[in-house]
Amino acid sequence: DVKVTQSSRYLVKRTGEKVFLECVQDMDHENMFWYRQDPGLGLRLIYFSYDVKMKEKGDIPEGYSVSREKKERFSLILESASTNQTSMYLCASSFGGEEKLFFGSGTQLSVL
Amino acid sequence: DQQVKQNSPSLSVQEGRISILNCDYTNSMFDYFLWYKKYPAEGPTFLISISSIKDKNEDGRFTVFLNKSAKHLSLHIVPSQPGDSAVYFCAARETSKAAGNKLTFGGGTRVLVKP
Repeated sequence: DVKVTQSSRYLVKRTGEKVFLECVQDMDHENMFWYRQDPGLGLRLIYFSYDVKMKEKGDIPEGYSVSREKKERFSLILESASTNQTSMYLCASSFGGEEKLFFGSGTQLSVL
Repeated sequence: DQQVKQNSPSLSVQEGRISILNCDYTNSMFDYFLWYKKYPAEGPTFLISISSIKDKNEDGRFTVFLNKSAKHLSLHIVPSQPGDSAVYFCAARETSKAAGNKLTFGGGTRVLVKP
């Protein structure tokens, strides 16, 4: 089974802090994605990556950056956390041209 | 502007009856559609999908119907079971170099199946 692991289930941070969310997948998937889930808004794409060191902006990249130094690992960075970034963050991965995404369990981030 | 919309935020159904979840989209370039199911504190899991060249796909109790002219798809769950209580997300993909391999999701529909 594909496993996508997110490093933290819950995180509480203060406004202005730099926050790192880590995601690791074990199936050698080329593609990795970061989404955030908010009530009524569904899943919105923040950033994605098709290969090591490559990144593409999603629909809501403002206030975020990403890093993909290794194929299996995709990090989401909040440079200066703000309260409107309180959300559930979901990492996903997929094979090259495949439509089906495999998701991690999510990180519930609260910014106070 | 949301390209994929699920207009019903919630749905309550009796065990054994049919659940019908609806999804509308605006982008005519979408050519592949998926449904995901999400339980609390878990990531979404893939449920069923359909290509735009088909109008129906069935997998056990789950059937997805696609009406391209109406830009509408629906998920039927028959019979509904208490374990089906979850949030269901509709997702769509446009296969083009510009669009990449990303999925666009709807807002979700929370389904409650009553015993």
